[in-house]
This record gives sequence, structure tokens and C-alpha cells, in this order.
Amino acid sequence: DGGITQSPKYLFRKEGQNVTLSCEQNLNHDAMYWYRQDPGQGLRLIYYSQIVNDFQKGDIAEGYSVSREKKESFPLTVTSAQKNPTAFYLCASSIGLARETQYFGPGTRLLVL
Amino acid sequence: QKEVEQNSGPLSVPEGAIASLNCTYSDRGSQSFFWYRQYSGKSPELIMFIYSNGDKEDGRFTAQLNKASQYVSLLIRDSQPSDSATYLCAVTSGTYKYIFGTGTRLKVLA
Repeated sequence: DGGITQSPKYLFRKEGQNVTLSCEQNLNHDAMYWYRQDPGQGLRLIYYSQIVNDFQKGDIAEGYSVSREKKESFPLTVTSAQKNPTAFYLCASSIGLARETQYFGPGTRLLVL
Repeated sequence: QKEVEQNSGPLSVPEGAIASLNCTYSDRGSQSFFWYRQYSGKSPELIMFIYSNGDKEDGRFTAQLNKASQYVSLLIRDSQPSDSATYLCAVTSGTYKYIFGTGTRLKVLA
């Protein structure tokens, strides 16, 4: 059953702590994306990756880091430098070029303790 | 900054009516256009995509694209209470990026 999985569903972060959000896809897609969604707002691009071992900053990359060591996996780390991390984080993938449809994972909701 | 504009709503329509959702975009180079539905607390799911000027129909949904006016719309016929959700418009920008609007909240009244 092909799709995108994200874990955990909910994540709690303490002050000064780095946390990592997981994203895995078995769709054989080359491109993967991380978005942040705040209440009443659209999706804002954090990072994207076109191929393995390559990734690009999006519009709001400060305080976040990613890696793309495998085609299937694109984890996002929210660092302590991100001062307002509370949001709904969405991972997406597409075949490659932006003409194609993006498919989304179920999301991770990050809350600050 | 490339932008996608949507009326935030809520757009309220009675059950069985046609819901019309609109979106304008600023990047004349955009080539692909998508409508996603997002229920509260859930991730977006694709409703339709459209690449060429004109209409594209899929069941109760029709997407309309006018590149000259930089305008894309979604019509939902025979609206059902289960269609109540936020509808996100997305357009491509450049080779790998997608720009999303803030969404229109649709309420279908039973």
C-alpha cells in the first residue's frame, strides 16, 4: 500500500531541545518537501529535496535542518534556534518536476511545553 | 514574492447547491494548478489538477483555468455536508516549488 508516513502524530518540545520529525515514502518519488502550517494560514515551504543527498532551503528555513540520505526518507529537525515551533508540519512528495501532483503525509503536530 | 490569493470565507451554501471557489495567482510562469481539500486537523488531499486553459470535469467537481486572467476556480455541484472543509489552491512556481493559498473555508448547510 503506497503512501507517505509521518511520525510521531504529536510531538512535544521543551525549551532548548532539538526534535526530529520523521517522513518516509514508498511511492518511489524523487522530490520531497517539508511545509509548516499555522492556524488560518497556508502552507509555507521549509525545505525541499529534488534528489538524494541534495536539498534546498525554502521560504522559512531558519531554525530547521534536513537530510536526504535515502530516497525514501526526508527527516526534519526543529532546532532550539526556532523560537516559535508550534505548528502543523506536513511532509509531501512528488514524482519530480513541479508539474506533477504533490501528495501529503498525515502530518505531525508540534507543541512546546 | 509569488502569491496565491483566496477568499478565506466561510462560504456557506445550502445542500444540493453549487459552490464556487476562486483563486488568483501572480506568477505568469505557473504551469500547473491544483485544488486540495483539507478537513480540520488533517492533511490536504488532492481534489483536482489542471494544466490547460478551459474546464476540466471530474464527477461533481469542475476546475476552470484562465491563464490570461491568472485565475483558477473550482465548482462543486450538488454540494454535500461532507464537502465542508477548507479548500487550498496551489500553483507551481519554477521547476520544483509549489505556492499555496491560505484556503477558503466551505460550509455546506444541511
